[in-house]
Amino acid sequence: QKEVEQDPGPLSVPEGAIVSLNCTYSNSAFQYFMWYRQYSRKGPELLMYTYSSGNKEDGRFTAQVDKSSKYISLFIRDSQPSDSATYLCAMRLASGATNKLIFGTGTLLAVQP
Amino acid sequence: SQTIHQWPATLVQPVGSPLSLECTVEGTSNPNLYWYRQAAGRGLQLLFYSVGIGQISSEVPQNLSASRPQDRQFILSSKKLLLSDSGFYLCAWSKTDTQYFGPGTRLTVL
Repeated sequence: QKEVEQDPGPLSVPEGAIVSLNCTYSNSAFQYFMWYRQYSRKGPELLMYTYSSGNKEDGRFTAQVDKSSKYISLFIRDSQPSDSATYLCAMRLASGATNKLIFGTGTLLAVQP
Repeated sequence: SQTIHQWPATLVQPVGSPLSLECTVEGTSNPNLYWYRQAAGRGLQLLFYSVGIGQISSEVPQNLSASRPQDRQFILSSKKLLLSDSGFYLCAWSKTDTQYFGPGTRLTVL
């Protein structure tokens, strides 16, 4: 079993739709959770970052962490064609000098105009 | 603000040739540095990480090596490339809780 599972998609939605992207994980010791957005042939860029459980909102994006279910989500409201990209979830333990991240394989999102 | 650079952006190399990819970070000191490989349609595979000058940890046995000759410089090398070394190579830096990625180098080995 992989430590982090993510549906690879592709996920195709019409412009303006609400998008839900999800990851499940197996290690209950993970404390930091991140979402990265990666456009084709570019490096991943950090989109959202949360510590422990709860919600965090930034504009049209909301990150949600449910540690009891070992499940994290990224919601995109009023999706735009410019949101078309691969979305990677990542997580790490609370402590450690290396700050190593465990990544999901990414979900490819296409927002149709 | 911090920036991370990688070069070259693209590279086409024959099998058996050497490789040197460079990564530099600006605007911070003593960062953790990382090399990843991303194969087509697959996730990020951590290759090496470094917590300081001259300190390199390898995550997977392979045909590659890494060096950190200066605080903000990270180099990925190979003496003889294999076809399986093709991929998208990403450098990342970290100071506290998360990582920030460079633009990547697309390597094709023919």
